[in-house]
Amino acid sequence: NAGVTQTPKFQVLKTGQSMTLQCAQDMNHNSMYWYRQDPGMGLRLIYYSASEGTTDKGEVPNGYNVSRLNKREFSLRLESAAPSQTSVYFCASSYRDRAVGAFFGQGTRLTVV
Amino acid sequence: GQQLNQSPQSMFIQEGEDVSMNCTSSSIFNTWLWYKQEPGEGPVLLIALYKAGELTSNGRLTAQFGITRKDSFLNISASIPSDVGIYFCAGQLRTNAGKSTFGDGTTLTVKP
Repeated sequence: NAGVTQTPKFQVLKTGQSMTLQCAQDMNHNSMYWYRQDPGMGLRLIYYSASEGTTDKGEVPNGYNVSRLNKREFSLRLESAAPSQTSVYFCASSYRDRAVGAFFGQGTRLTVV
Repeated sequence: GQQLNQSPQSMFIQEGEDVSMNCTSSSIFNTWLWYKQEPGEGPVLLIALYKAGELTSNGRLTAQFGITRKDSFLNISASIPSDVGIYFCAGQLRTNAGKSTFGDGTTLTVKP
C-alpha cells in the first residue's frame, strides 16, 4: 500500500512562478487536506475536501487554490508564488465520518526565491 | 479560531527516563489526537482519544483526554533513542470530523 503520495518532494520556484502540488491516496478515504508546516510550528490547514466534489477554505487559504479531481486526487496550486509561501506542504486523507485522525504524505519542501 | 498550546516546546532527556507533555485549548474538542513526526516524514498517528477522562495506551505511550475536554496529556515511559522526533497534539470537533487543529509540537531528544 502506497498510502498518500505527494509529488514533487522538492521544488524551488522564483517569485511569481506558478506550480501545482499533486496528491493521491489509495485508501478509499472520503476527505483530503492540504497543510503547511513552517519551522517551529504545527501544521496549519490550507484547504480541505470533505468529499469528492467539495472543497473548503482552512485557516490559511490566501494565495492557494485546490482541485479535488476525483476521490483519489487532490491538488494544490500556487498561482503566483511568494517567498512567504516557502514551507513544507503536507497532503493528508481520512474517513469523513470517523474522527480517527489522518494519514499524511511525506511532504513537499518548497522554496520560493 | 481555536488555538492549542503545547508544552514543553522541547525536551532533552536521558535514555530510560519517562517523558510527559501536554496540550491545552481555549475551547472544547470532542477528539484529541497525538502524532509523531520524524525528520523528512509526515506525521504518523500514535493515539486517538474520544471521551473526556479516557486513558489510552499504545505500547510505552499513554495519553489522556482531560476531564474539561480542553486538554490532553501524553506520557512516554522508559524512553529509547528511536523516540526522537516531534510530537504533535491535535484536536477535532465532531462537526468537522477529520479537520484538525494542531499544536506547535514538542521536540524530543533522547541521549543514549
